[in-house]
Amino acid sequence: DAGVTQSPTHLIKTRGQQVTLRCSPKSGHDTVSWYQQALGQGPQFIFQYYEEEERQRGNFPDRFSGHQFPNYSSELNVNALLLGDSALYLCASSSVPQETQYFGPGTRLLVL
Amino acid sequence: GENVEQHPSTLSVQEGDSAVIKCTYSDSASNYFPWYKQELGKRPQLIIDIRSNVGEKKDQRIAVTLNKTAKHFSLHITETQPEDSAVYFCAASYTDKLIFGTGTRLQVFP
Repeated sequence: DAGVTQSPTHLIKTRGQQVTLRCSPKSGHDTVSWYQQALGQGPQFIFQYYEEEERQRGNFPDRFSGHQFPNYSSELNVNALLLGDSALYLCASSSVPQETQYFGPGTRLLVL
Repeated sequence: GENVEQHPSTLSVQEGDSAVIKCTYSDSASNYFPWYKQELGKRPQLIIDIRSNVGEKKDQRIAVTLNKTAKHFSLHITETQPEDSAVYFCAASYTDKLIFGTGTRLQVFP
């Protein structure tokens, strides 16, 4: 039973570029949440997808957008990258929005 | 807004001693409180969680207590081992998004 997977594992971009990160939830899970974890900090909630819709959103600008596909996998897109977007981006899945969230290994993004 | 405070930021204990990490949350509507362990360069892993209709939960050497009135919850690790060394995060959930504390770096010395 595969857990939550994310790709790519690492990414280097320059300011102003755009990036797409991908997440496949744990088998049997239909809810995907995205978090940003800066170095030495706790994860910060970006948004949550359920039934292909953005269900909730944290305090992140519109440059951060996402999508959920019919197979429950999800993408996080960040436009007009800033140096401050450098972080570990974590995806978590759950069987329904109210249930326990399990994290993927993350994508480490470095913006130069 | 929603906020979770976590103390201490670092904790050093001798192997075999107990460790206690405390968190306070701001939103009284929070109803779910998980704890995650994150080793260097790895994903956060759920170690224990508690819901607001329960005051205490134990799983072998790990226990969590919840005081809803005071809006406090704590993680207790007994008989610590070197492999318990990691960063521990508490979180509180309302409307299903997790609000995390700032983390506690636990070091267990042999």
